[in-house]
This record gives sequence, structure tokens and C-alpha cells, in this order.
Amino acid sequence: EAGVTQFPSHSVIEKGQTVTLRCDPISGHDNLYWYRRVMGKEIKFLLHFVKESKQDESGMPNNRFLAERTGGTYSTLKVQPAELEDSGVYFCASSQGVSLSTDTQYFGPGTRLTVL
Amino acid sequence: AQSVSQHNHHVILSEAASLELGCNYSYGGTVNLFWYVQYPGQHLQLLLKYFSGDPLVKGIKGFEAEFIKSKFSFNLRKPSVQWSDTAEYFCAVSGGSTLGRLYFGRGTQLTVWP
Repeated sequence: EAGVTQFPSHSVIEKGQTVTLRCDPISGHDNLYWYRRVMGKEIKFLLHFVKESKQDESGMPNNRFLAERTGGTYSTLKVQPAELEDSGVYFCASSQGVSLSTDTQYFGPGTRLTVL
Repeated sequence: AQSVSQHNHHVILSEAASLELGCNYSYGGTVNLFWYVQYPGQHLQLLLKYFSGDPLVKGIKGFEAEFIKSKFSFNLRKPSVQWSDTAEYFCAVSGGSTLGRLYFGRGTQLTVWP
């Protein structure tokens, strides 16, 4: 069974540009999560999709970030325009159910974003 | 809001040494507790989790963790580490109304010398 995949693995852009990150969850997983780790800090929750609906987007830092999950399959996270403080590793995770006592969140390899 | 503290940022051990990584969380309600591990070049993967029952939880690769509710702690232990345990370890918690959302600590980098 294929795991969670993310594309690209690395992205280097200049401040003010736009970047789109993609996440393909494990097939059949309705729940998809985005997290971000800024260097040296904790991994922070960004948002949670259940199928194509945003269940919880309280962790999104500001309106420069837009996440979509059309059709309830893969998800994209767009940053427009990118700022220096957006640099970090963006992780995607998926799970079949939402209850973490019975379900596990499986993480992708992450996308390392560097904004110059 | 929930938060997680991992007190050790970098731990260096020799093979066969015993390991204990500290994790404390702040949340007064019912929680699920996790340890994730990221080996060099690999994905974050679940090492073990606690959600109810026996507070001593056993995970993969000989790791275990003990939930002590009175101390809000969930420390990770292994009696004898191996070089292959070199990785970054993350403690995480979920619970309450933010179902599904994980709150992570800053991570502890473990380096094991052969």
C-alpha cells in the first residue's frame, strides 16, 4: 500500500512569489491534515480536511495560505505571496477515521520550503 | 490550548546505554498521547500511543512509555539503545474538542554512538 506522498520534496522561491504544495493521502483516507515545522520549533497543526470539507482551519497562519481538497482526494496548499517566515517543512498526514485512539495519522516525507 | 514540552533537545548516548526522554503536556481533560520518530531521510512514524488502560505502553523496537497522570508526563524509555535508534523523537498529544489535531513538542534529537 502506498503511503502519503508529497510534492515537491524541496522548493526554493523568492519572497513575493507563489508556491503550491501537493499532498496525496493514503487511498481511502477521508481525513487529511497539514502541519508545518519552522526550523528548531515544534510541528504545528495548520488544518484538517474531512473529505473535501475543512473541518478545522484554525491553525492557518494568515490569509496568504489557501488549502484545497477538491474531490476529497489529493490536497494542495498554496502560499501567495510567500514571506521569509513561511520557510519550514510542511508535512501532510492522513488517517481513515478521526479518532486517534483507534486510528493512526500517517505522515508524508514533507516539503522543505525555503523563501529567500 | 494544549501544549507539549520536551526538555531534552539533543541527547547523545553510547550503544547499550539506557534512554529516557522527557515529555510533559498541559491539558486537564482526557488525552491521547503519542511518540513519533523520524529516522534520517524517512517519514515521521508512530512509535507508540496511549489512550486508555495500562499506563505503561509498549511500542515498536523495544520502546515503552509511561503515562503518569498526576505529573502530566509521558516519558519514553528504552533499556538499551542501538546505533539504529539515532533519530528525532517527537511527543504529541490530542484530545478534547480538537479531535484529530495533534499538538507536538519541539522534538529530541537522539544520537547513538557505536
